Amino acid sequence: EAGVVQSPRYKIIEKKQPVAFWCNPISGHNTLYWYLQNLGQGPELLIRYENEEAVDDSQLPKDRFSAERLKGVDSTLKIQPAELGDSAVYLCASSLGGQVSGELFFGEGSRLTVL
Amino acid sequence: DQQVKQNSPSLSVQEGRISILNCDYTNSMFDYFLWYKKYPAEGPTFLISISSIKDKNEDGRFTVFLNKSAKHLSLHIVPSQPGDSAVYFCAASAQTGANNLFFGTGTRLTVIP
Repeated sequence: EAGVVQSPRYKIIEKKQPVAFWCNPISGHNTLYWYLQNLGQGPELLIRYENEEAVDDSQLPKDRFSAERLKGVDSTLKIQPAELGDSAVYLCASSLGGQVSGELFFGEGSRLTVL
Repeated sequence: DQQVKQNSPSLSVQEGRISILNCDYTNSMFDYFLWYKKYPAEGPTFLISISSIKDKNEDGRFTVFLNKSAKHLSLHIVPSQPGDSAVYFCAASAQTGANNLFFGTGTRLTVIP
């Protein structure tokens, strides 16, 4: 069974440029998460989807970040414009249901460097 | 404000000995706790979990202990193996809340052969 797939694995951009990350969750997983992991920190939730509905986006900086999950499968996370402080690893995860008592399956992450 | 804390950034243990990783939390609403393991350049992978109705959960070499009164949990690995060398994240959630997972900052475990 294929795991959570993310692309690109690495991205280097200059500040003020846009960037987008893509995630394909495990087949059949209706819940999808985007997490931000800064260096030396644990992952922090940005947004959670139940199917195509964003049910928790309270931590998403909406002035520059946006996300979508069309058709309730793949998802994209966009930053426009990027700032130096956005340099981090962006992790996508999926699970069978919204209850966290089930395990989350993480992708390998997309490492962003903003110069 | 860090609701889940892992105060030891690193731990080194000899192969075959016990590894004990600690985690503290501040939110009394947390009722489900998980440990994730992360290798370099990979995403975290689920290791073991425990519900607040239990004080111990065991899975092979891994045991998680929960002390609700102290708001403390620990992960025991015995015997430790070189392949256990990784960063371990403690995470917690409140089932009655937004089902958000709150992660600690991680502890890097090195098992010395």
